Amino acid sequence: GAGVSQSPSNKVTEKGKDVELRCDPISGHTALYWYRQSLGQGLEFLIYFQGNSAPDKSGLPSDRFSAERTGGSVSTLTIQRTQQEDSAVYLCASSFMLGGYTFGSGTRLTVV
Amino acid sequence: AQSVTQLDSQVPVFEEAPVELRCNYSSSVSVYLFWYVQYPNQGLQLLLKYLSGSTLVKGINGFEAEFNKSQTSFHLRKPSVHISDTAEYFCAVSEKGGTALIFGKGTTLSVSS
Repeated sequence: GAGVSQSPSNKVTEKGKDVELRCDPISGHTALYWYRQSLGQGLEFLIYFQGNSAPDKSGLPSDRFSAERTGGSVSTLTIQRTQQEDSAVYLCASSFMLGGYTFGSGTRLTVV
Repeated sequence: AQSVTQLDSQVPVFEEAPVELRCNYSSSVSVYLFWYVQYPNQGLQLLLKYLSGSTLVKGINGFEAEFNKSQTSFHLRKPSVHISDTAEYFCAVSEKGGTALIFGKGTTLSVSS
């Protein structure tokens, strides 16, 4: 596609439920990132996939968070046993080589 | 690991005044530097980037930034701002060799008439 596509755009879930957020990067982009944006907190790095290399998971805040990228394309971010503090906008970005990071519109997650 | 500090969380200015948004980074290796803008209720948009070469980088909407290696800074400037420049501005850094793009906490630029 022409841009980075994220779904759903909005998700409301009950505390304790699991959620899956999807990111469809730009075709051919080898790198894919997940970030979390909370009010007043800027963009918090979560995880980074680069080609076939092992992902950089250093930003995942707890073991409730995981992500995978299938076939070097689509990525899914899974949050298990959601908590209210998980409420945020989750952003995905992709890039090809240097400096061409393109962001999706994000998924707004609300945990009630 | 690299880190980014945006020294001002909020910068209020009057229309047509000059503005500088400050960004300092920390890294033990060479870096790539970026500024992104987020308008209210919109996604992130790349303003400009420094990869190599000239340390003065020009971006969209009349913005420019200067990479200063000795001061580990990448401050964003515009000589005359407009009301429409009101937005959140994020500085970001990644290390050469392929690491994650790390963002600062952002600076809110508020332009009033």
